[in-house]
Amino acid sequence: EAGVTQFPSHSVIEKGQTVTLRCDPISGHDNLYWYRRVMGKEIKFLLHFVKESKQDESGMPNNRFLAERTGGTYSTLKVQPAELEDSGVYFCASSPRGIGYTFGSGTRLTVV
Amino acid sequence: EDQVTQSPEALRLQEGESSSLNCSYTVSGLRGLFWYRQDPGKGPEFLFTLYSAGEEKEKERLKATLTKKESFLHITAPKPEDSATYLCAVRKGSQGNLIFGKGTKLSVKP
Repeated sequence: EAGVTQFPSHSVIEKGQTVTLRCDPISGHDNLYWYRRVMGKEIKFLLHFVKESKQDESGMPNNRFLAERTGGTYSTLKVQPAELEDSGVYFCASSPRGIGYTFGSGTRLTVV
Repeated sequence: EDQVTQSPEALRLQEGESSSLNCSYTVSGLRGLFWYRQDPGKGPEFLFTLYSAGEEKEKERLKATLTKKESFLHITAPKPEDSATYLCAVRKGSQGNLIFGKGTKLSVKP
């Protein structure tokens, strides 16, 4: 069984630019989560999809972040325009029933 | 406020030197406490889920226990390959999202 795949693994962009992160969950997993770890802080929840619907987006920091999940399969997280404080590692996780979670290796985003 | 606190932040052990990591939490409506292992450049890797006080789970040299306020991850006779950051997280209510602690970075020297 393929795991959760995230790409790119690293991205360096300038302040004000746009970046799109992608997550491919494990096939058949209806639940998809985005998390973020800012340097020196704990991993924090961003949002939760059930199939193509947003179940909980209470962790999204502001309206510069837009998440989508096309047809209940892969998900994208777009940051537009990026700010310095958006730097961190963005993790995606998927789960078949919202109980067990498999994480991807993350995307390290650096905004300069 | 829901909070997960892990201690110590870092722990250095000699191979074979047993120890414990602590995870204390304050959260209402706990629906599971999770332990993960994270290696550099990788995502968290699932170890255990505990649901009720008194529950224990074991896997190789690791044993996790849970009380009403904290969880311990006991490491017996660790090996260098056990070196990693160990993360504790709690699941609250039925929403499914996890609240993480900052982690304990474990280094085991041969």
